[in-house]
Amino acid sequence: KAGVTQTPRYLIKTRGQQVTLSCSPISGHRSVSWYQQTPGQGLQFLFEYFSETQRNKGNFPGRFSGRQFSNSRSEMNVSTLELGDSALYLCASSLFRGPGNEQFFGPGTRLTVL
Amino acid sequence: TQLLEQSPQFLSIQEGENLTVYCNSSSVFSSLQWYRQEPGEGPVLLVTVVTGGEVKKLKRLTFQFGDARKDSSLHITAAQPGDTGLYLCAGGNNNNDMRFGAGTRLTVKP
Repeated sequence: KAGVTQTPRYLIKTRGQQVTLSCSPISGHRSVSWYQQTPGQGLQFLFEYFSETQRNKGNFPGRFSGRQFSNSRSEMNVSTLELGDSALYLCASSLFRGPGNEQFFGPGTRLTVL
Repeated sequence: TQLLEQSPQFLSIQEGENLTVYCNSSSVFSSLQWYRQEPGEGPVLLVTVVTGGEVKKLKRLTFQFGDARKDSSLHITAAQPGDTGLYLCAGGNNNNDMRFGAGTRLTVKP
């Protein structure tokens, strides 16, 4: 069974640009969550999608957005990039929602903003 | 301020030693998970605990969930170099909004 895949793995952008990251969940998983990981803040929850609907959102500005397609693949977009957006962006898929569910993480996309 | 505080932040020990890392919060969680993350990879789930006072063992790793479901500990017996990595705890409630601690970076020297 293929794991969670994320593309691209590495990305370099400049301030003011926008970026789109992609995540393909494990086959059959309908929930996809996105996280931002930085050395200073650790792993922070961005948002979760389930059945093409955003179910939960973390405390990030509106420049961060996402969507989920009917095949459960998900994309996240960051507009007007800032230096502080440099981070490892991780997506995780799970079979169901709720406490105790197991999330499977992808390898992440490392975004560098210059 | 992290919702989940992990300690210590860094830990460097010799192979064969025992260690305990902690995850503390002022909030109650329905479940608590421990993950290990290696460089260049995403976190990998080690265990999920859902009942206050629950203890789970995974080979040389022992996980405990506090009675009040606010804290947890991870104990490793006879650490090996392969245990090296970033250990993350994450608390969850009735949705998929998992809150992660900053992690404990463990180095086990041969």
